[in-house]
Amino acid sequence: QKEVEQNSGPLSVPEGAIASLNCTYSDRGSQSFFWYRQYSGKSPELIMSIYSNGDKEDGRFTAQLNKASQYVSLLIRDSQPSDSATYLCAVLLGGGADGLTFGKGTHLIIQP
Amino acid sequence: DAGVTQSPTHLIKTRGQQVTLRCSPKSGHDTVSWYQQALGQGPQFIFQYYEEEERQRGNFPDRFSGHQFPNYSSELNVNALLLGDSALYLCASSYYNEQFFGPGTRLTVL
Repeated sequence: QKEVEQNSGPLSVPEGAIASLNCTYSDRGSQSFFWYRQYSGKSPELIMSIYSNGDKEDGRFTAQLNKASQYVSLLIRDSQPSDSATYLCAVLLGGGADGLTFGKGTHLIIQP
Repeated sequence: DAGVTQSPTHLIKTRGQQVTLRCSPKSGHDTVSWYQQALGQGPQFIFQYYEEEERQRGNFPDRFSGHQFPNYSSELNVNALLLGDSALYLCASSYYNEQFFGPGTRLTVL
């Protein structure tokens, strides 16, 4: 059974600080990892993908992957109130011929 | 460039009825996946279509079926609706690994 675990939160972070979101997964065969942002009442929006160990940076977002520890994280620098949303971690087992397995999401609140 | 589109936006049905949801993928994408998202949960994978065939299926009963057309658009059909089928139904299109979601269809079963 493939599982993806996230702390549901809410995680409250002051504006301008770094928000750190964490995710663990159970299937060692997982190859691809994604972070989606979902605003209330909206659909998930892809913000980061990561495929190999280490860090990947895109603007204020940094994704970190450690396959040995089966751990993925997302850092948001200079957090803004518009970053307040639910962040979903998703894992893909194979090369695309599979569905994403999602965690339940972490609710992030950026306090002005 | 239009993204993933879904119709209808909202739908209300009664138990036992059947429903069809539609999805048009992003331009250049050939794979469509369907997900069910209950309130407060992450999306759950229903199935994936590629080259007009069901390629992978999640843990959903046969009441859930689908189709992909030659233009890559797709339909999700749900028969014998149950109250528990009330959820946001999401379609995602992809060319390889990255999946992009449409706005979803909110289904309410009364």
